[in-house]
Amino acid sequence: VQLLESGGGSVQPGGSLRLSCAASGFTFSSYAMSWVRQGPGKGLEWVSGISDSGGSTYYADSVKGRFTISRDNLKNTLYVQMNSLRSEDTAVYYCAKAAASGSFSPNDYWGQGTLVTVSS
Amino acid sequence: EIVLTQSPGTLSLSPGERATLSCRASQSVSSSYLAWYQQKPGQAPRLLIYGTSSRATGIPDRFSGSGSRTDFTLTISRLEPEDFAVYYCQQYGSSPRTFGGGTKVEIK
Repeated sequence: VQLLESGGGSVQPGGSLRLSCAASGFTFSSYAMSWVRQGPGKGLEWVSGISDSGGSTYYADSVKGRFTISRDNLKNTLYVQMNSLRSEDTAVYYCAKAAASGSFSPNDYWGQGTLVTVSS
Repeated sequence: EIVLTQSPGTLSLSPGERATLSCRASQSVSSSYLAWYQQKPGQAPRLLIYGTSSRATGIPDRFSGSGSRTDFTLTISRLEPEDFAVYYCQQYGSSPRTFGGGTKVEIK
């Protein structure tokens, strides 16, 4: 299993970024996926999740209305579109795979993370 | 939203000692959907325990989880040098899937 995030970088407050997570080594379309972030020196914060089909999406209150999670099961890729970025969105963003199929599962594989810095 | 509170914030112990980490939920965790992760500096989290007490693949049996409803515990029976890290609990039974603030296990 390999998860490779990309798309991080520096952006000004109010700006946008799209992160991608390329998955390999498993049947991507069979597993829900999540984005989890970690601010500098801080703990883990669950950001968003998406079902295996992409039909159901979930968000933390802190990003609801600003972030949009999606997936392309033909390209084995997970995305998050991040708009109206704020300084508090500065973090390493990890994509993570559900450990099992179904609605309720922890995350057993994680990418190496991509850094997003929001600053003027 | 279920708030998870981990204690203590830092645990200072010596190799070979027993570590007991607590995770308390603000409301009952659905069907014991509680997981524990280990994170070392510069690394992604690693799943240790799921379903309150089931060890993930490859996790040594010195790691054990217990608890129910609102009170959960991760126990490391005898600390090995590689166990010094930060540990997070997470509930995944309801959205948002919240994490606790973490417990750092450091070498005394």
